[in-house]
Amino acid sequence: GENVEQHPSTLSVQEGDSAVIKCTYSDSASNYFPWYKQELGKGPQLIIDIRSNVGEKKDQRIAVTLNKTAKHFSLHITETQPEDSAVYFCAATSYSSASKIIFGSGTRLSIRP
Amino acid sequence: DSGVTQTPKHLITATGQRVTLRCSPRSGDLSVYWYQQSLDQGLQFLIQYYNGEERAKGNILERFSAQQFPDLHSELNLSSLELGDSALYFCASSSGEGGGYEQYFGPGTRLTVT
Repeated sequence: GENVEQHPSTLSVQEGDSAVIKCTYSDSASNYFPWYKQELGKGPQLIIDIRSNVGEKKDQRIAVTLNKTAKHFSLHITETQPEDSAVYFCAATSYSSASKIIFGSGTRLSIRP
Repeated sequence: DSGVTQTPKHLITATGQRVTLRCSPRSGDLSVYWYQQSLDQGLQFLIQYYNGEERAKGNILERFSAQQFPDLHSELNLSSLELGDSALYFCASSSGEGGGYEQYFGPGTRLTVT
């Protein structure tokens, strides 16, 4: 069945350094790829998304890249700050009305002061 | 605050029992999604409703059912509960029917089955 693999499962970076999280999806029909941030005790929150007609999207310190041929997409966080510490989930789905959304297993990001 | 509300926040019940989780979407949103989040399974999509109609189904067990009412709030019913059903249950809402719309998540209901 459809699957989204996410790596790494945990990531610790020095404050100010960059963090990269990678995902691979299996369903070639997927054309929408959101990223969610989940802080302790809260529900996931969308931080950035990318659609299949775009290769890269940037929003301040956060960027996402997509390689449709390889079925890879990645989240890049630059100049990391303590408030970036959270669990990050990638997901893949399609625009169609009957689409399921498949989440990656999550990456616990810790920012060292 | 996402604008999505879920009740109750916590629920403790025994095996074999039945519970109902409630979700109110953001004002104006027509889609409601239900998710299960457990430590070993991550975030699993259960089911989606759009304007009262079931739209997409994920890994939802036959013991679980959901519905969306005319006022757009939704309920997730879990019956014949097992220890393995202990998890966080999230509801999310979006404005559109398909998968390409931003989903806003509620704070979740933590279910503990003893």
